[in-house]
Amino acid sequence: NAGVTQTPKFQVLKTGQSMTLQCAQDMNHEYMSWYRQDPGMGLRLIHYSVGAGITDQGEVPNGYNVSRSTTEDFPLRLLSAAPSQTSVYFCASGAWGVIRYGYTFGSGTRLTVV
Amino acid sequence: GQQLNQSPQSMFIQEGEDVSMNCTSSSIFNTWLWYKQEPGEGPVLLIALYKAGELTSNGRLTAQFGITRKDSFLNISASIPSDVGIYFCAGLRAINTGTASKLTFGTGTRLQVTL
Repeated sequence: NAGVTQTPKFQVLKTGQSMTLQCAQDMNHEYMSWYRQDPGMGLRLIHYSVGAGITDQGEVPNGYNVSRSTTEDFPLRLLSAAPSQTSVYFCASGAWGVIRYGYTFGSGTRLTVV
Repeated sequence: GQQLNQSPQSMFIQEGEDVSMNCTSSSIFNTWLWYKQEPGEGPVLLIALYKAGELTSNGRLTAQFGITRKDSFLNISASIPSDVGIYFCAGLRAINTGTASKLTFGTGTRLQVTL
């Protein structure tokens, strides 16, 4: 029962570098999303997907790209890292229509941009 | 973007005390969720609420879906040290299958329990 797996757990980037945060789920969930967590701000939605080939923007999408080529994977790309993107990133997945179970979260990626 | 307002921001309580926290919004939600986050981990679902006025329990935790659909409350009875963490409320406008569902999170209540 792996659930939602995020890699890496920690990452330090220099300003201007690019990287991809990986997210994989083995529950055959249609819905996947990325959040960032900043002190005092709760979790804010970056991008989400309701199925393979379908993505949409959340509340704070600027500076991030996503794609969903398979049901299992939903990578988040930082195009040119900025210090403002220092945060903890969480990936979440959910079964379509099963609202009662909410969404399952990964354990997070802590990103520091220097 | 909209966020949900949670209060209090933080709480320091003694073991055995009861805890109450709430979450308010300017908009209506049709589903309310309460999550707990422990250090270094992602949020874990505690309770889900689907109807206005609904009261649901999960062990020592009890949550209520406000009548106006703009608020929700979480109570923890007889707190223990492992209750430490950040508690988040989250709202969903979706109510059934086939609807795109985006969680809106509250700002969190940090709970510390002393012996």
